[in-house]
Amino acid sequence: GDSVTQMEGPVTLSEEAFLTINCTYTATGYPSLFWYVQYPGEGLQLLLKATKADDKGSNKGFEATYRKETTSFHLEKGSVQVSDSAVYFCALSGGGYNKLIFGAGTRLAVHP
Amino acid sequence: ETGVTQSPTHLIKTRGQQVTLRCSSQSGHNTVSWYQQALGQGPQFIFQYYREEENGRGNFPPRFSGLQFPNYSSELNVNALELDDSALYLCASSAGTDDTGELFFGEGSRLTVL
Repeated sequence: GDSVTQMEGPVTLSEEAFLTINCTYTATGYPSLFWYVQYPGEGLQLLLKATKADDKGSNKGFEATYRKETTSFHLEKGSVQVSDSAVYFCALSGGGYNKLIFGAGTRLAVHP
Repeated sequence: ETGVTQSPTHLIKTRGQQVTLRCSSQSGHNTVSWYQQALGQGPQFIFQYYREEENGRGNFPPRFSGLQFPNYSSELNVNALELDDSALYLCASSAGTDDTGELFFGEGSRLTVL
């Protein structure tokens, strides 16, 4: 069945460092891909999305490009801030009825 | 605009008991999905309700059941609780069932089964 694999955390960075969180997927058909973020004490929030190959999703300085040839959707940010500390989840949909399949999540800790 | 709210936020049950979790969807959303998030794992889809009918189900046994009410709020019921049911239960609402992936999540109900 469809699945999502993310790099294990925690990822610990200093403020202003470059961030990459790897995500690869297995799916039949042509899924849409998403990054969700869970800040401490809050519910999951959609960060960005891409619906077809070569699409780039972006939001709040984060970017991810849908790469069909490598089945990947890596999350990047050029300069992280302490406020970016959270758990990041890669997800896909495409099975109908807006069902999401999530990866295990990657915890990011950014220190001043 | 009112977001997704869930109750209770925390609860403790013992094996064999039954539990009901509640969710109010975001204003204007007619679809509610439930997810189970075990510690250190990503959320797993339990089922979805649209117009008061179950509209899709994940790989969960029948002792996981749900309801949706005319105001689009929803309940998740779990019977004969097992230790492995300990998890964070997330409710998510959306406007319709199209594969947009744009779900709005509540903060969850944390269930501990002893």
